[in-house]
Amino acid sequence: GAVVSQHPSWVICKSGTSVKIECRSLDFQATTMFWYRQFPKQSLMLMATSNEGSKATYEQGVEKDKFLINHASLTLSTLTVTSAHPEDSSFYICSAPRLGSYNEQFFGPGTRLTVL
Amino acid sequence: EDQVTQSPEALRLQEGESSSLNCSYTVSGLRGLFWYRQDPGKGPEFLFTLYSAGEEKEKERLKATLTKKESFLHITAPKPEDSATYLCAVYGGTSYGKLTFGQGTILTVHP
Repeated sequence: GAVVSQHPSWVICKSGTSVKIECRSLDFQATTMFWYRQFPKQSLMLMATSNEGSKATYEQGVEKDKFLINHASLTLSTLTVTSAHPEDSSFYICSAPRLGSYNEQFFGPGTRLTVL
Repeated sequence: EDQVTQSPEALRLQEGESSSLNCSYTVSGLRGLFWYRQDPGKGPEFLFTLYSAGEEKEKERLKATLTKKESFLHITAPKPEDSATYLCAVYGGTSYGKLTFGQGTILTVHP
């Protein structure tokens, strides 16, 4: 099966700092990747769509200047949480559809961000 | 706007007690309905994609079915290791692959 990795798996940072989270598709290419956020005991909420070679598109209510997304290659997308605050503490998960098919979408293991 | 509602919110079963989870949806031009399993602190694990009403798919003790308004995830003779949150998601014709998730059903199987 297809594998998507995320790094780091967890991170603790101080308020005001920036944190970068990587999402990689290990055995397939993905021109599109999706970033989700999940609060405790809640479902996944889509934050943004990462597009290789072009700007990310953000869901309504998500601050694009706070959550910077870069899709550097067909296997790597990064999410940077800038000037993090405690309310940004959450579980961040990426997903990647296999190239050319939205019908197969594979999720990474998630990154637990805690902002002190 | 695509919407997904899952029920029940939580389900407790005894080992071997079969049951079903429900996923009701509204979507403009269903392209795919997904079922995922999520363990605590982990990302969702892909189970099934269903595309059209009447379609069924099976994997071990799980069987997913689809109608025009809802999907069921049937669990036959569950084991404690089946305990997890089961998520249903849809994507429609105008969403370019973006999934809309339900709230999930937390399944607990007691030995």
